[in-house]
Amino acid sequence: EVQLLESGGDLVQPGGSLRLSCAVSGFTFSSYAMGWVRQAPGKGLEWVSSLSASGGSTYYADSVKGRFTISRDNSRNTLYLQMTTLRAEDTAIYYCVKAIAVAGLRTDNWFDPWGQGTLVTVSS
Amino acid sequence: QSVLTQPPSVSGAPGQSVTISCTGSNSNIGAGYDVHWYQQLPGTAPKLLIYTNAYRPSGVPDRFSGSQSGTSASLAITGLQADDEADYYCQSYDVSLTAYVFGTGTKVTVL
Repeated sequence: EVQLLESGGDLVQPGGSLRLSCAVSGFTFSSYAMGWVRQAPGKGLEWVSSLSASGGSTYYADSVKGRFTISRDNSRNTLYLQMTTLRAEDTAIYYCVKAIAVAGLRTDNWFDPWGQGTLVTVSS
Repeated sequence: QSVLTQPPSVSGAPGQSVTISCTGSNSNIGAGYDVHWYQQLPGTAPKLLIYTNAYRPSGVPDRFSGSQSGTSASLAITGLQADDEADYYCQSYDVSLTAYVFGTGTKVTVL
């Protein structure tokens, strides 16, 4: 069974940093692109970032570019999202998602499955 | 802000059918990029419902169907059931944004 388990969500002050992790099991992690999608409280879904199976290609939404860094450790079957210069509008549940193939930004990609999410709250 | 527009809510009685629209533009759906649909039950993570416009993953009932035409896509739910109450989102790729984009989301209520 494919499982994605996020961790690292917390309450952080504006301007602060946080690193999210996503531990995966049930599939060959190093063969698939992965990503993060977030959902602000009571709001819709927003794609945040994706990276290729090797980790060599990364992609970001304009809203987080320059502040967030996605990475992976294929030896540990773990995906990361390093978030810096956090803003109130970054408050959301962050979901780890599996893509359908190797490429990080394949245009026909969909996300399946999704982790249970981890809550990031940015507030003073 | 989302570039794919969905109606905020739709409703129907048990057994009836509802359709959810997803309207995009010539930089996403209209450019030929595939549309995928997700179901988010209350308090849970989204789940893939339809991929590549019209295909159902294993385990998804055939009461759910998807279609795409021009700059829009649609999700139809027939034989509405109480446990279909959820939020539904469409997703595609936008070449102008170089990004994956989601719809605004639609809440389905079973009367």
